[in-house]
Amino acid sequence: GAVVSQHPSRVICKSGTSVKIECRSLDFQATTMFWYRQFPKQSLMLMATSNEGSKATYEQGVEKDKFLINHASLTLSTLTVTSAHPEDSSFYICSARGPGAGSYNSPLHFGNGTRLTVT
Amino acid sequence: SQQGEEDPQALSIQEGENATMNCSYKTSINNLQWYRQNSGRGLVHLILIRSNEREKHSGRLRVTLDTSKKSSSLLITASRAADTASYFCATSGNTGGFKTIFGAGTRLFVKA
Repeated sequence: GAVVSQHPSRVICKSGTSVKIECRSLDFQATTMFWYRQFPKQSLMLMATSNEGSKATYEQGVEKDKFLINHASLTLSTLTVTSAHPEDSSFYICSARGPGAGSYNSPLHFGNGTRLTVT
Repeated sequence: SQQGEEDPQALSIQEGENATMNCSYKTSINNLQWYRQNSGRGLVHLILIRSNEREKHSGRLRVTLDTSKKSSSLLITASRAADTASYFCATSGNTGGFKTIFGAGTRLFVKA
């Protein structure tokens, strides 16, 4: 149980275009999902907390107009990288707390990540 | 923002040996978690230890937590080549919607 599916796994796009990444909780409802960004051989940097039915909460330094997050249902959150530039190339990973996770004492379940390359 | 520091950054051992990774953090926490990441993949949860716990075991994994020193360790006993991966500690606190913040990670390489 507690499977998180993320698509696409890889995407290459041209500079100036937008890319949408989907994160789905397959067998549980996730009122909160988290989006991370990871550079090669580095740790995960929290970008934003996605809340179902409300606006996302962005971390300091993350441009909310560039990284649009929509959490329209209890099983789907999307991250759209708008007007992508080569410096946006990175590994993006979503996660959600497991079922029945009303509290923080539940681990995160991760998607397999999306490798974005902007040319 | 990151709050955890891990050491070593990289660790290379022979199959069968034990691997110990350490993690330190800065603020008060509700729990500390350890995750594993294979190259180019998402993270897999290994163990969660609550702030009122001192030690926890799961198979070949042993995690300790010292809240007075704000530190934790992950021990993998009798390592296998398949344990080769990056290992991250992560903490959850009371603020910011209980978000989870990750440490820098330790890259473990187990030689067969």
